[in-house]
Amino acid sequence: KQEVTQIPAALSVPEGENLVLNCSFTDSAIYNLQWFRQDPGKGLTSLLLIQSSQREQTSGRLNASLDKSSGRSTLYIAASQPGDSATYLCAVRRRDDKIIFGKGTRLHILP
Amino acid sequence: KAGVTQTPRYLIKTRGQQVTLSCSPISGHRSVSWYQQTPGQGLQFLFEYFSETQRNKGNFPGRFSGRQFSNSRSEMNVSTLELGDSALYLCASSLNRDSWGLSYEQFFGPGTRLTVL
Repeated sequence: KQEVTQIPAALSVPEGENLVLNCSFTDSAIYNLQWFRQDPGKGLTSLLLIQSSQREQTSGRLNASLDKSSGRSTLYIAASQPGDSATYLCAVRRRDDKIIFGKGTRLHILP
Repeated sequence: KAGVTQTPRYLIKTRGQQVTLSCSPISGHRSVSWYQQTPGQGLQFLFEYFSETQRNKGNFPGRFSGRQFSNSRSEMNVSTLELGDSALYLCASSLNRDSWGLSYEQFFGPGTRLTVL
C-alpha cells in the first residue's frame, strides 16, 4: 500500500533563508510525483511535476528532486519570501493511476 | 486559457439530503479527478474520469458517485449526506497520458466547500 509522508508537518523560517521540504513514499512503482502549494481555504496550485524517469525539475526559485530508489523527493525553496507561506503538498501517481497525497508541510516565512 | 472551475463554491445541506457538485476542466483536458479534503484525513482520491468513463475509484462508499459528459465536464453526487461528508471537494483536470506513458500534471479548481448540518 502506497503511503506518502511529509516531514516536518510545520516549519517557520526567517525571510531570505533557503529551505528544504521532504516527501517520502513507500512504493517506488510510480508514474510521477507532483508538488503543490495550497493557500488557506483555496485549491491547489501545481508547482513542479517530476516524471519517474527524471531526477529533478526547476522553476524559478524552486527545485524538486526525485530519488525513486530511496522513495524520497525534496522541494528546495531558495531565498524564501513571505509570499511563500502556504501548505506544500506532494502527491505520487501510482502505476494503477491512483494518486496519493501526503498530509502536507505548513510553511510560515517570518518577515 | 481559463482554469478549472467548480460550482457552487459553497453549499450548506442537512443530513440525509443529496448534493451535486460540478466541475469544468481546462479546455482540451479530458481527464477529471475528484478529491475530498478534510483536516483529519487530508486529501483523499475519490474517482477519475476519462472520456466519459470512470478509470479509477478510491475507497469511498457507494453514496459517492460521479459522471463525465461528452464535453469533459464532470459532476459528482453524494446521496444521504452524513456529518462526516463536510469537506472541501476539489476537482482536477489533466491532459492524461501521452503515447510514451508520461502522465501530465494536474490542475486544480478552487473547490466546493460543503457543510452538512
